[in-house]
Amino acid sequence: EVQLVESGGGLVQPGSSLKLSCVASGFTFSNYGMNWIRQAPKKGLEWIALIYYDSSNKYYADSVKGRFTISRDNSKNTLYLEMNSLRSEDTAMYYCAKSGAIGLFDYWGQGVMVTVSS
Amino acid sequence: DIRMTQSPASLSASLGETVNIECLASEDIYSDLAWYQQKPGKSPQLLIYNANSLQNGVPSRFSGSGSGTQYSLKINSLQSEDVATYFCQQYNNYPYTFGAGTKLELK
Repeated sequence: EVQLVESGGGLVQPGSSLKLSCVASGFTFSNYGMNWIRQAPKKGLEWIALIYYDSSNKYYADSVKGRFTISRDNSKNTLYLEMNSLRSEDTAMYYCAKSGAIGLFDYWGQGVMVTVSS
Repeated sequence: DIRMTQSPASLSASLGETVNIECLASEDIYSDLAWYQQKPGKSPQLLIYNANSLQNGVPSRFSGSGSGTQYSLKINSLQSEDVATYFCQQYNNYPYTFGAGTKLELK
């Protein structure tokens, strides 16, 4: 059974940093691209980052480019999102999601909440 | 960025009814279109990909259609467990973008 478990969220002040993790199991992690997708409270979904299976390519939404970094450790079956210069508009539930094929999100984690507030 | 416009924003239907949700892309996305279901308090689940392919394990009462810029999700014989918000998503171009969602409730 595919499982994606995010952690690392919390309440932080504007301008601060936070690093999210997503531990994967139930599939060969090193064979698949992985994504971060967020959902602000009572809002829609926003894809924010993709990393290829071998970290050869990374793509970001403009809203996070230059502030967030996606990475992975295939030896630990873990996906990361390093978030810097956090803003109030980054407040959201953050989901990691497996790419079934490029652009498709066939499995999602339960999400981790990030709140940016003073 | 490709804009995805979903309609209606909300929908109320009776058990057993057929429901249609529309999604309009701001440019041709060549059927690179997926539909997701998000139940209250849960993470989204993939229903349909490539505009009309049913994801494994998804009930056959769900179907997708469309091409070019216009797509739709159809739910036949509405069940109580279908109460959810539905999102379309294009994956033809970066950044991947979602529609704003359609909240489906029981009448």
